[in-house]
Amino acid sequence: GEDVEQSLFLSVREGDSSVINCTYTDSSSTYLYWYKQEPGAGLQLLTYIFSNMDMKQDQRLTVLLNKKDKHLSLRIADTQTGDSAIYFCAFTSFGNEKLTFGTGTRLTIIP
Amino acid sequence: EAGVTQFPSHSVIEKGQTVTLRCDPISGHDNLYWYRRVMGKEIKFLLHFVKESKQDESGMPNNRFLAERTGGTYSTLKVQPAELEDSGVYFCASSQGLAGNHEQFFGPGTRLTVL
Repeated sequence: GEDVEQSLFLSVREGDSSVINCTYTDSSSTYLYWYKQEPGAGLQLLTYIFSNMDMKQDQRLTVLLNKKDKHLSLRIADTQTGDSAIYFCAFTSFGNEKLTFGTGTRLTIIP
Repeated sequence: EAGVTQFPSHSVIEKGQTVTLRCDPISGHDNLYWYRRVMGKEIKFLLHFVKESKQDESGMPNNRFLAERTGGTYSTLKVQPAELEDSGVYFCASSQGLAGNHEQFFGPGTRLTVL
């Protein structure tokens, strides 16, 4: 079965870079996603990467995918207080639209 | 354009009672999904509708859960009778389902507490 692991907590100083990591076991993943959940809100899609890509950059966000190690990471440059949230990695598999999620990483910004 | 909405936002019921959660997807989205997050664990898939048909219900935990999407618009998820382990946040998501457009838009969730 699928298994997706994330660290539960991460604390970063304002202005530093945040790196949130995710490891997975399913090698048939097609799209890999990063979702953000702010308090009281739903899940917001931040960015995604297709499985044949190694990297994707979108403004302050950089996604790195290492398929050999089954490792996905999200780097947030110049972390701001508004980045405080829970970040979930997720993926879909070929022919299957359901999302498989990690446990989520709670990012706390230290002033 | 309105996003995915869910009702109620919170529900507190006693073990053995019945609760019905509602999800209104984004207008025109054929795909509707239910997920839940229990006790701070990972978010798990429950089921997937394409219009009014159940495409995949492999994540439904047991027969105490009944999901419907009559007319292919809004969906309901009924839990009867509710058990303590059903407590958690139930998320609904929808997507257009067009080729190449795979983004699922999530609602704010319904927090269910079973006492």
